[in-house]
Amino acid sequence: GAVVSQHPSRVICKSGTSVKIECRSLDFQATTMFWYRQFPKKSLMLMATSNEGSKATYEQGVEKDKFLINHASLTLSTLTVTSAHPEDSSFYICSPSISEHYGYTFGSGTRLTVV
Amino acid sequence: AQSVTQPDIHITVSEGASLELRCNYSYGATPYLFWYVQSPGQGLQLLLKYFSGDTLVQGIKGFEAEFKRSQSSFNLRKPSVHWSDAAEYFCAVATQGGSEKLVFGKGTKLTVNP
Repeated sequence: GAVVSQHPSRVICKSGTSVKIECRSLDFQATTMFWYRQFPKKSLMLMATSNEGSKATYEQGVEKDKFLINHASLTLSTLTVTSAHPEDSSFYICSPSISEHYGYTFGSGTRLTVV
Repeated sequence: AQSVTQPDIHITVSEGASLELRCNYSYGATPYLFWYVQSPGQGLQLLLKYFSGDTLVQGIKGFEAEFKRSQSSFNLRKPSVHWSDAAEYFCAVATQGGSEKLVFGKGTKLTVNP
């Protein structure tokens, strides 16, 4: 159980364009989704916490207008990188909050490259 | 706020040798502790977790970890390393079981020599 599907796994986009990353919970409902970012050879840093039906909570230093998060249903949360720049190139990973399960599961990640 | 320290950035061991990856945490109460493994370009796979009870926790792939409250540590061990264990290992802490964010250590890269 607790399977998370994240798409796309890799994406290359041009500077100035937007990219949407989807994270779906396949066999459970996630009221909360955590979005992490991982820089090369670095650890994971929490970017924001999305809650179904309400606004996301962003960590300090994360631009909410650049990283749009939508959590419209209990099985889908999306992260849109708007007006992407090369410095946005990174590995993005989602992780649902599963209060009734012990432990956390993660999506397989999205490698974003902005050229 | 809680924090996690993984003192070793990179460890190299020979195949068949034993392994211990260190993890220290900072948190006032009993934390929820996790070890994850990440292969290049991949997501995170949970190796094991500790919430309460027996301080020696068994995980997948032959890994185990021991929670030592007095040392604020949660070190990961494996008696005999396989070449396929080469990866990045992350220790993480949470304040609750599944409803709070994880705070990660910076990771330890494991290289396994034949």
